[in-house]
Amino acid sequence: NAGVTQTPKFQVLKTGQSMTLQCAQDMNHNSMYWYRQDPGMGLRLIYYSASEGTTDKGEVPNGYNVSRLNKREFSLRLESAAPSQTSVYFCASSGRGVSTDTQYFGPGTRLTVL
Amino acid sequence: DAKTTQPNSMESNEEEPVHLPCNHSTISGTDYIHWYRQLPSQGPEYVIHGLTSNVNNRMASLAIAEDRKSSTLILHRATLRDAAVYYCILRSYSGAGSYQLTFGKGTKLSVIP
Repeated sequence: NAGVTQTPKFQVLKTGQSMTLQCAQDMNHNSMYWYRQDPGMGLRLIYYSASEGTTDKGEVPNGYNVSRLNKREFSLRLESAAPSQTSVYFCASSGRGVSTDTQYFGPGTRLTVL
Repeated sequence: DAKTTQPNSMESNEEEPVHLPCNHSTISGTDYIHWYRQLPSQGPEYVIHGLTSNVNNRMASLAIAEDRKSSTLILHRATLRDAAVYYCILRSYSGAGSYQLTFGKGTKLSVIP
């Protein structure tokens, strides 16, 4: 099992450009998440998807859109990138369970917006 | 959301036990206490979680105070590979079967050879 995979690993954009970050999981998990991590900070939730066909805003959704393409894939789109969106982006997934639910994280995408 | 308080940093000598504290005085009765760690340049990884009782797994032990207002992650023998940022998180229910994790800044653990 690959777990959670993310592409690309690194990306440099110019202000105003758009791009889509891809995430896929092979653990048959229902829930998927997108976080961002700024230098020296903890992770902040951007969007999450509790199940296929649903998405909800997290703590910092402005400037982002998401698509839950199917159960395996959850993409994050920046329509018009800004320097404030320079960050490391992590995707995570979790199985459905009241007491045992834990999140599994991908390796991250390091995005720089010039 | 209930919040957690952790020391910014701690040091430990290699092969000695490490006790990482966490305060969560506003925890609700349904909040699970989760610990994750983040190795340099990697995504976070799950370490352990608990509700009321102490828990052990192959990575660590979790000691939860009787009033649940604090907890301690115990690494029994620190190795150089345990150098990471450790996050204590209260897992809150988001509805529809999904659980949000709210990350603070965590405790940066340094292990001295």
